[in-house]
Amino acid sequence: QVQLVQSGAVVRKPGSSVSVSCKASGGRFDRYAYNWVRQAPGQGPEWMGGILPIRRRTQDAQSFKGRVTITADISTSTLHLELNTLRSDDTAIYYCTSSRNVAAGGSFDSWGQGTLVTVSA
Amino acid sequence: SYVLTQTPSVSVAPGKTATITCGGDNIATKSVHWYQQKPGQAPLLVISYDDRPSGISERFSGSNSAHTATLTITAVEAGDEADYFCQVWDTSSDGYVFGAGTKVTVL
Repeated sequence: QVQLVQSGAVVRKPGSSVSVSCKASGGRFDRYAYNWVRQAPGQGPEWMGGILPIRRRTQDAQSFKGRVTITADISTSTLHLELNTLRSDDTAIYYCTSSRNVAAGGSFDSWGQGTLVTVSA
Repeated sequence: SYVLTQTPSVSVAPGKTATITCGGDNIATKSVHWYQQKPGQAPLLVISYDDRPSGISERFSGSNSAHTATLTITAVEAGDEADYFCQVWDTSSDGYVFGAGTKVTVL
């Protein structure tokens, strides 16, 4: 099972952008699908998008299209999430996840520890 | 877009059975996954395609029919107190959808 370790908490101002990284270990990186999920305080999880590194294919959630960029560096087994034009309601914990079943609809088998992103003036 | 409806909270006595439901239009046609989340922790997959991942107690089981998916926890223990979320893939929007979660309190 893949282990995922994310970058640390950050604070950003409204209108700026944020980048969160996630390093995978313990499995062959390109044999998994990866997704990003965020969770605002007291809320349920919200899917942001995913990537299948071996096919360099990404899929973004409708609500984030145009604001989110998801990339994967196979050479370093690292995922990256970039979110632009931040608003205060983007304040949340951001998680990376991995799926052994790379088909659409697979469960999220492993989760990173989460990265708190705070958007505040 | 597809909506999953969960009861906000469920209370159960130790040793009893907790039933957590996830409602959705024709949800029986979808694969449903369930996650457990304890305070300050990342979610943990407990049911995947109505099956338990390795390491998950046999007390956890999932079922799915018509418009309701169900997560059942038998012989509930204090350590089962957590939030539980259901998840599906919505083909119409080509994306994952989560329920808002059910908080399970062990009395």
